[in-house]
Amino acid sequence: DAGVTQSPTHLIKTRGQQVTLRCSPKSGHDTVSWYQQALGQGPQFIFQYYEEEERQRGNFPDRFSGHQFPNYSSELNVNALLLGDSALYLCASSLAGFYEQYFGPGTRLTVT
Amino acid sequence: TQLLEQSPQFLSIQEGENLTVYCNSSSVFSSLQWYRQEPGEGPVLLVTVVTGGEVKKLKRLTFQFGDARKDSSLHITAAQPGDTGLYLCAGHNQGGKLIFGQGTELSVKP
Repeated sequence: DAGVTQSPTHLIKTRGQQVTLRCSPKSGHDTVSWYQQALGQGPQFIFQYYEEEERQRGNFPDRFSGHQFPNYSSELNVNALLLGDSALYLCASSLAGFYEQYFGPGTRLTVT
Repeated sequence: TQLLEQSPQFLSIQEGENLTVYCNSSSVFSSLQWYRQEPGEGPVLLVTVVTGGEVKKLKRLTFQFGDARKDSSLHITAAQPGDTGLYLCAGHNQGGKLIFGQGTELSVKP
């Protein structure tokens, strides 16, 4: 049973560029949440997708957008990258109505 | 804005010692979870507590949810080097968002 997978593992981008990160949820899960984790900090909630719609959003600007596909996989897009966007981006999947979230290994994004 | 404050932020102890990590908030949470994260990896769920006053044990780890569902603690007995890592508490607020504390970095020296 595959867990949550994310791609790519690492990414280096330049200020002003755009980036797309991908996530495949754990088998049987229908909800995907995205988090940003700066070095030495706890993860910060970006948004959550369920039934291909953004259901909840944290305090992140519109430069952060996402999508969920019919197979429940998800993408996180960040436009006009800033140096401060450098972080570990985590994807977590869950089953609607249940508290437990299972995290992927993350994508390390470096903006130069 | 709901916040979860963890203490201490850093903890360095010798193998065999006991320790307690605290997670506090002024807000009520529907549930509270504890995760452990190792460098370069995503957090791994250890436990979920949902009832005020609930106590759960996982081998040498004991988790407690406060009666008012605003705080929680993690107690480790006889810590081992393999317990080293970042411990995160996270609470589901009434809206269903998962809010994390800033984490406690634990180092257990042999």
